[in-house]
Amino acid sequence: GQSLEQPSEVTAVEGAIVQINCTYQTSGFYGLSWYQQHDGGAPTFLSYNALDGLEETGRFSSFLSRSDSYGYLLLQELQMKDSASYFCAVSGRDGGSQGNLIFGKGTKLSVKP
Amino acid sequence: DVKVTQSSRYLVKRTGEKVFLECVQDMDHENMFWYRQDPGLGLRLIYFSYDVKMKEKGDIPEGYSVSREKKERFSLILESASTNQTSMYLCASTTLKGFNYEQYFGPGTRLTVT
Repeated sequence: GQSLEQPSEVTAVEGAIVQINCTYQTSGFYGLSWYQQHDGGAPTFLSYNALDGLEETGRFSSFLSRSDSYGYLLLQELQMKDSASYFCAVSGRDGGSQGNLIFGKGTKLSVKP
Repeated sequence: DVKVTQSSRYLVKRTGEKVFLECVQDMDHENMFWYRQDPGLGLRLIYFSYDVKMKEKGDIPEGYSVSREKKERFSLILESASTNQTSMYLCASTTLKGFNYEQYFGPGTRLTVT
């Protein structure tokens, strides 16, 4: 089967660093994506890793290890506006592409003052 | 900027009614998707389409159908709405011309079936 595992909730304080892990099991894999969703809003794209290693975009970084079927999203210098749900997603469904994503159940990040 | 719009933000329907949810994207994307989102369950794929008049079942297609008569428009149809279809419905689109399969989401339709 195909599945993604990520923690359901994470709490951190403003200014801190938080890491959200994601492990996956899929029959087809092209890359790992991360999406952010604020309450009442639509998911928005944050990052994509197709190759092993770290990708940095401002305060956010994303990491992938294909051999471990594992990735993480790293958020630095946390701000209150980072309070949101974060979803990891893998592209590649049953060996095919078609741009399909399989989403994890999401991690709710709460940033405290 | 890519824009994905959905016909309604909130919708209230009665059990047994036929419900149409419309989604339009303006970036000439080949692929379009319908998801439903429920607390603790994440986003679950209902149907997707990779071309006009083409459709494929996702993970939870039961009770739903779709229509894609034009490239920019993808409709989700609930043939006979039931209370267990109360949910947030999200439409998304993507192009295969890129590398990262970034999906662009609409604002969502919160459907309540009473």
